[in-house]
Amino acid sequence: AQSVSQHNHHVILSEAASLELGCNYSYGGTVNLFWYVQYPGQHLQLLLKYFSGDPLVKGIKGFEAEFIKSKFSFNLRKPSVQWSDTAEYFCAVTGGGSQGNLIFGKGTKLSVKP
Amino acid sequence: EPEVTQTPSHQVTQMGQEVILRCVPISNHLYFYWYRQILGQKVEFLVSFYNNEISEKSEIFDDQFSVERPDGSNFTLKIRSTKLEDSAMYFCASKVSNEQFFGPGTRLTVL
Repeated sequence: AQSVSQHNHHVILSEAASLELGCNYSYGGTVNLFWYVQYPGQHLQLLLKYFSGDPLVKGIKGFEAEFIKSKFSFNLRKPSVQWSDTAEYFCAVTGGGSQGNLIFGKGTKLSVKP
Repeated sequence: EPEVTQTPSHQVTQMGQEVILRCVPISNHLYFYWYRQILGQKVEFLVSFYNNEISEKSEIFDDQFSVERPDGSNFTLKIRSTKLEDSAMYFCASKVSNEQFFGPGTRLTVL
């Protein structure tokens, strides 16, 4: 069965610090990869996605992620975080299911100190 | 910008009662989903729906659960006899191509 692992449960950073959140998935076939963000009190929003092509994908709000097939990884990065990036971040994958059902990681809570 | 909406935002019910959670997907979307997130745990897939029938369901989606698209706009999740462990946030999502758009969720509390 497919699974997604997010290495960090809670990350605390100061503003302007660089961010990298780890995500690994287990599925040998073709996958689509996603990062979703959930700001406090709000619904899940798509940050970025990877389907094919350039393994370095850029998303909204200065986020980017790199797909490394050999490592089954899709880590999320941002060079300089802001207080407004405080949220929970979810890595997700689709693959195998005929309708693209998302398999989520447990999420990483990011707290940015002003 | 079109968005997925869900009602109610919070539902409190007694164990054994039936609940219906409602979703209005984005109007031109063709695929519909329900997910749930138990407090402190990951978001879990429940069921997908396409062309007026269930296309895939998880182990969680047992006989107590059902989904329906009663008209051209609503997509509902029914839990026939709620259990304490059904307490969770339930998210509806819809898509037309590769990106799923999520609603704000319904927090279900079973007492």
